[in-house]
Amino acid sequence: EAGVVQSPRYKIIEKKQPVAFWCNPISGHNTLYWYLQNLGQGPELLIRYENEEAVDDSQLPKDRFSAERLKGVDSTLKIQPAELGDSAVYLCASSPGQGRGYEQYFGPGTRLTVT
Amino acid sequence: RKEVEQDPGPFNVPEGATVAFNCTYSNSASQSFFWYRQDCRKEPKLLMSVYSSGNEDGRFTAQLNRASQYISLLIRDSKLSDSATYLCVVSGYSSASKIIFGSGTRLSIRP
Repeated sequence: EAGVVQSPRYKIIEKKQPVAFWCNPISGHNTLYWYLQNLGQGPELLIRYENEEAVDDSQLPKDRFSAERLKGVDSTLKIQPAELGDSAVYLCASSPGQGRGYEQYFGPGTRLTVT
Repeated sequence: RKEVEQDPGPFNVPEGATVAFNCTYSNSASQSFFWYRQDCRKEPKLLMSVYSSGNEDGRFTAQLNRASQYISLLIRDSKLSDSATYLCVVSGYSSASKIIFGSGTRLSIRP
């Protein structure tokens, strides 16, 4: 069974440029998460989707970050414009259950460097 | 105070030793608990769920102490391959509950 797929794996951009990350969850998983992880820290939730609905985006910096999950399958996370402090690993995860305490399966992440 | 706290370590123990670490949480309404393992420059992977009655999987035992609001992970007969960062995850039970990862505890097993 294919796992969570993310692309690109690495991205280097200059500050003020836009960037987009793509995620395809495990087939049949209705819940999709986007996390940001800084070195030495745990993942921080940016947004959680139940199907195509964003049910928790309280931690998403909406002035520059946006996300969508059209058709309730794959998802895109965008940053525009990027700032130096956005350099981090962006992880996508999916879960077979809705919210609550279902286990999450993570993709390999996108390592973003903003110069 | 952070909502979920872990000792960052590193815990440096010899192969074959038993090691344990805790994760404390501040929200008494938390209902779901997990331990994840994360290798260097890799994604987190689920290690085990933590049930109210505890959970054991081979050399790994996870327990929940609701009164003191912490979960624990015990690793027996540690192997070199157990070297990793161990992340705890705490969330509520409703679909609106926040999901919070700890910062992780680094474990290094030496030969």
